Amino acid sequence: RKEVEQDPGPFNVPEGATVAFNCTYSNSASQSFFWYRQDCRKEPKLLMSVYSSGNEDGRFTAQLNRASQYISLLIRDSKLSDSATYLCAVNLYTGGFKTIFGAGTRLFVKA
Amino acid sequence: DARVTQTPRHKVTEMGQEVTMRCQPILGHNTVFWYRQTMMQGLELLAYFRNRAPLDDSGMPKDRFSAEMPDATLATLKIQPSEPRDSAVYFCASGPGRGEFFGPGTRLTVL
Repeated sequence: RKEVEQDPGPFNVPEGATVAFNCTYSNSASQSFFWYRQDCRKEPKLLMSVYSSGNEDGRFTAQLNRASQYISLLIRDSKLSDSATYLCAVNLYTGGFKTIFGAGTRLFVKA
Repeated sequence: DARVTQTPRHKVTEMGQEVTMRCQPILGHNTVFWYRQTMMQGLELLAYFRNRAPLDDSGMPKDRFSAEMPDATLATLKIQPSEPRDSAVYFCASGPGRGEFFGPGTRLTVL
């Protein structure tokens, strides 16, 4: 079993739709959680951290369920520019913070 | 606008040749990571450093890969000898401890 698992998609949604991604992690000692966005042939970019209480940044909402060991990302009112691959990531502390990434979920937003 | 820089951006080489990739982390970041990304394996952590000390290189094939940080402004990843299966995008990332900032990557092709 992979340490961090995501549905690879792709998710094909129309503009304006709400889309949700889930991610599960296997190590209960994971300490920090993140969502990254990666455009085609570009580097991953940090989208947002995920906090236990849940957090929102504009149209993006991230949630963490430690008991079930999953992280979610909700995108409301999706735009064409949201088309990308979304990677979830978990940090483990092993003398320094080591990050394990999921394989990513591809999102296509269509007009 | 602080960013991670990597050189070269593209490298095509023949099997058996030595490849050296360089990274300049963001000034002040104490953790530096090397990742490899392929379609099949996704984003894999090869090695990481904290305050220039190697903390974990378990993701790296030790017989041919080596990673060093000769000073706080330079991280290197070397492959000797290179093999076709090493073809991938190699990303360097740096971080202050929560979330990482990626460089643009080195796209390596080994023929």
